[in-house]
Amino acid sequence: EAGVAQSPRYKIIEKRQSVAFWCNPISGHATLYWYQQILGQGPKLLIQFQNNGVVDDSQLPKDRFSAERLKGVDSTLKIQPAKLEDSAVYLCASSFDSGSFNEQFFGPGTRLTVL
Amino acid sequence: AQSVAQPEDQVNVAEGNPLTVKCTYSVSGNPYLFWYVQYPNRGLQFLLKYITGDNLVKGSYGFEAEFNKSQTSFHLKKPSALVSDSALYFCAVRDGGSGNKLVFGAGTILRVKS
Repeated sequence: EAGVAQSPRYKIIEKRQSVAFWCNPISGHATLYWYQQILGQGPKLLIQFQNNGVVDDSQLPKDRFSAERLKGVDSTLKIQPAKLEDSAVYLCASSFDSGSFNEQFFGPGTRLTVL
Repeated sequence: AQSVAQPEDQVNVAEGNPLTVKCTYSVSGNPYLFWYVQYPNRGLQFLLKYITGDNLVKGSYGFEAEFNKSQTSFHLKKPSALVSDSALYFCAVRDGGSGNKLVFGAGTILRVKS
């Protein structure tokens, strides 16, 4: 079974530039998550999709971050404009559905450095 | 709000010795607890979970975790550590709100020395 795919793996940008990350979840997984992991901290949920609808985006900085999941499969996360404090690893995860007992499967992450 | 705490930034253990990585939780309602491991430049991998039932949960790679309701703890254990177990370990709790949102601890670095 193929895992969660993410690209790019690494990205370096200047502050105020824009950047986009892509995620392809495990086939058949209805729920997709984007997490932000700042160095020295645990991952923090940014947004959760159930199919192509948003379930939770309470911690997404909506003035600069946006995400979409067209057709309920792939997803993109965009930052525009980026700030220095956005430097982090962005993890995508998926689960079969949003049920309480389903573990989440994580991709390798995209390491973003904002200069 | 649900939360977990991992009181140790780093745990050092000799190969072959037992290891324990500590986690305490704070929840309203029933606790649904998870352990994940993260190797360098890789995503998180699921190790085990506690939903209900037996307080000793067995997981991947010989790891187990002991749920203790009175102490609100969910410590990760392994009887005999391997050098390859060296990694970053995260405890997480499911938030009882909408969806299956996980709230993670800050992580504990495990170093196993030969």
